[in-house]
Amino acid sequence: QSVLTQPPSVSGTPGQRITISCSGSGSNIGDNTVHWYQHHPGTAPKLLIYNNDQRPSGIPDRFSGSKSGTSASLAISGLQSEDEADYYCAAWDDGLNAHVFGTGTKVTV
Amino acid sequence: EVQLVQSGPEVKKPGDSLKISCKASGYSFTNNWIGWVRQMPGKGLEWMGYIYPGDSEARYSPSFAGQISISADTSINTVYLQWRSLKASDTATYYCARRVGAARHNNWFDPWGQGTLVTVSS
Repeated sequence: QSVLTQPPSVSGTPGQRITISCSGSGSNIGDNTVHWYQHHPGTAPKLLIYNNDQRPSGIPDRFSGSKSGTSASLAISGLQSEDEADYYCAAWDDGLNAHVFGTGTKVTV
Repeated sequence: EVQLVQSGPEVKKPGDSLKISCKASGYSFTNNWIGWVRQMPGKGLEWMGYIYPGDSEARYSPSFAGQISISADTSINTVYLQWRSLKASDTATYYCARRVGAARHNNWFDPWGQGTLVTVSS
């Protein structure tokens, strides 16, 4: 049972902008940085955003992250068909002494 | 290119032991933590633990401590995830991933292995 809560699904049309929320608490998002992963089922998950809002090289600037208090968000602009995947937020939890992942959000285009 | 390549799918019976592997290449193996993440069928990602191959220090999620063992062989740049006695509930896909980031608690996983499907059934 994850301590980071995400909406189960978000849908959008090609070219649209969508956002995925990630709600946590003071022991995880409140005190530590948030990271986001994209996962196409059957393949290796891929890092999209690290340290709240940093994009690894090769990740398009259509993907952006933000954090405020105990919540974080991932925005995808110019939605494309290949963005259809599962998305997970993640952070360290000081209380659990563990890396925790969000519940996951399925994006449908 | 940094790459993690995992061993192939496994089908086991309850009570069997199992060791799956993750071979790293393209970076300094001994200087980076490597973790394991479980994904049960139809479920999300769960961090299990990680190991620092340089000194074999392993840290486990409280949810998995005592259930699994993580080890490393620096001679072949490979990390292992091991069970002594599998249960049907261990059926899942297991991913290895390199931990990145200097701060103890502000780090992330990149890249990830392709996953190893473990099926435990009588």
